[in-house]
Amino acid sequence: IAGITQAPTSQILAAGRRMTLRCTQDMRHNAMYWYRQDLGLGLRLIHYSNTAGTTGKGEVPDGYSVSRANTDDFPLTLASAVPSQTSVYFCASSDRHTNSPLHFGNGTRLTVT
Amino acid sequence: AQRVTQPEKLLSVFKGAPVELKCNYSYSGSPELFWYVQYSRQRLQLLLRHISRESIKGFTADLNKGETSFHLKKPFAQEEDSAMYYCALTWNSGNTPLVFGKGTRLSVIA
Repeated sequence: IAGITQAPTSQILAAGRRMTLRCTQDMRHNAMYWYRQDLGLGLRLIHYSNTAGTTGKGEVPDGYSVSRANTDDFPLTLASAVPSQTSVYFCASSDRHTNSPLHFGNGTRLTVT
Repeated sequence: AQRVTQPEKLLSVFKGAPVELKCNYSYSGSPELFWYVQYSRQRLQLLLRHISRESIKGFTADLNKGETSFHLKKPFAQEEDSAMYYCALTWNSGNTPLVFGKGTRLSVIA
């Protein structure tokens, strides 16, 4: 693993189903983020975590939850998917101690039908 | 609320022509501004940040606090510059998550 890995790469999900998007980083970055990318709306922050054990809400948190049990993993869960959650989801990380720029994963393309 | 505005959704220029991607922000304190780029089928990556004051791939951007702008410029566009460009803002020494603009798609025409 080098950098940030997201899984799955893409997924088609029926509305009402539960889904967890996985994100793992091997850079020992303390901060991690989830953004969604939508045409015409850019990147919007869903949730973030400044350090293991803490999480915070971003601009569009409703319908999503996260956990940060350790430094490396930051899964994003959709408890009951709705079509408006169709999007491309990007996980990112940074080292707040050195104020490093964001490193992004390759994204997960999610379609909720 | 802090905000980043990229007024152009799409910018088309001919190869060799100058490029300017506009970015304005709303924040009254000391901001940190970034430009991120996403080439086709690739992940987002940092292009440049204002504190570095460097030129990357021929691009430069100067923070103008008076006009609250951080426009991205390149004197001669190349076809490989075609991509999606996002301006982003943070503050509090980077302890606040980045706020992104809506992005501008740059298309360089041969």
